[in-house]
Amino acid sequence: AQSVTQLGSHVSVSEGALVLLRCNYSSSVPPYLFWYVQYPNQGLQLLLKYTSAATLVKGINGFEAEFKKSETSFHLTKPSAHMSDAAEYFCAVSANTGNQFYFGTGTSLTVIP
Amino acid sequence: DAGITQSPRYKITETGRQVTLMCHQTWSHSYMFWYRQDLGHGLRLIYYSAAADITDKGEVPDGYVVSRSKTENFPLTLESATRSQTSVYFCASSDYIGVKNIQYFGAGTRLSVL
Repeated sequence: AQSVTQLGSHVSVSEGALVLLRCNYSSSVPPYLFWYVQYPNQGLQLLLKYTSAATLVKGINGFEAEFKKSETSFHLTKPSAHMSDAAEYFCAVSANTGNQFYFGTGTSLTVIP
Repeated sequence: DAGITQSPRYKITETGRQVTLMCHQTWSHSYMFWYRQDLGHGLRLIYYSAAADITDKGEVPDGYVVSRSKTENFPLTLESATRSQTSVYFCASSDYIGVKNIQYFGAGTRLSVL
């Protein structure tokens, strides 16, 4: 079975500050991990995904995430927050043999000018 | 337009009425999914389909019906809407399992059941 836990339903950062959004996963098989972003009144867009090729994954808009098997974590970071980063972020996991995704409950990111 | 489209974007209905939410994708993806998004629950899978005429239940299927007579369409029907089905509904599609699996989402349908 697969599941994800996102710590912190709301995160606020100042413009230019580090963004850190936390995600821990549980999986009985080697997982594939994803971060999606949702802007207001829009669907989800893929930010990045981990498929075991490299533990540090770079995505769009300057985001990256590091897969840490020992900590079962896949935290999302960005060195310098921009106002346009304000959105809802979802972590998701899927099994390497299946097509179903299991989503976390989401983290709402606010960027303070 | 290419991509995945959902209609309507907004819908208000009354308890007990039948409602159908439409989803259409132009990529010919094999897999299609319906999720509902609720505060505190994230996205929960309602139904999914691996191909035309093949559907299966997800985490929260009760009260919903799906069909997939054509690869590109995956309508979701609420046979007798209840207030607890007030939610934002997202359709998604993908064409692979395993390492190439990425799900692409529609813009969503916001449904209010009064």
